[in-house]
Amino acid sequence: QLQLQESGPGLVKASETLSLRCTLSGDSISSSHYYWGWIRQPPGKGLEWIGSIYYSGSTYYNPSLESRVTISVDTSKNQFSLNLNSVTAADTAVYYCAGHGALTGSLWGQGTLVTVSS
Amino acid sequence: DIQLTQSPSFLSAYVGDRVTITCRASQAINNYLAWYQQKPGKAPKLLIYAASALQSGVPSRFSGSGSGTEFTLTIGSLQPEDFATYYCQQLNVFPVTFGPGTKVDIK
Repeated sequence: QLQLQESGPGLVKASETLSLRCTLSGDSISSSHYYWGWIRQPPGKGLEWIGSIYYSGSTYYNPSLESRVTISVDTSKNQFSLNLNSVTAADTAVYYCAGHGALTGSLWGQGTLVTVSS
Repeated sequence: DIQLTQSPSFLSAYVGDRVTITCRASQAINNYLAWYQQKPGKAPKLLIYAASALQSGVPSRFSGSGSGTEFTLTIGSLQPEDFATYYCQQLNVFPVTFGPGTKVDIK
């Protein structure tokens, strides 16, 4: 059973870089079944896809965030990571990691709240 | 980008009611659509994938249908634990997109 767990700071200062990590258990990040992605949800709002990575290293980003986002994978640790730079208060959200495929839907981590402080 | 719209955005229903939520895509997405249930403070939970496949462990009162640009999620008999917000997601192409959500409340 695939399980994902986010980790990282819950508080980031404005203009700095938000960095989160997602650790997988129950499957290999090198599995061809899934893309590995990040989604966020500002308080009281809907879901926004940030980007995804395939185990081969191919990345896909939301055009609205692409200039500030980097997603990377560490197959030796069965982890993938999110870096979002130059953050503002608008980046305050619950950040989820997920494994997804076109014909499998998305399986989600529990989420982690990141607050951007001024 | 593929835009997803959901209707209604809010619905109020009784326990035992049959409920249908519609998700429309701005262009055809084959059957690469998933449905999620989200309760306050929790991560979204996968209900339906590939438009109509029931995720393991999800009660059979949930069903999905559709293809192309129009999809529906049906709850056959609404239970107290089903009051939540429901989202659709298209996985046909990047960028992946979500519908704005449908909140199902108790009448």
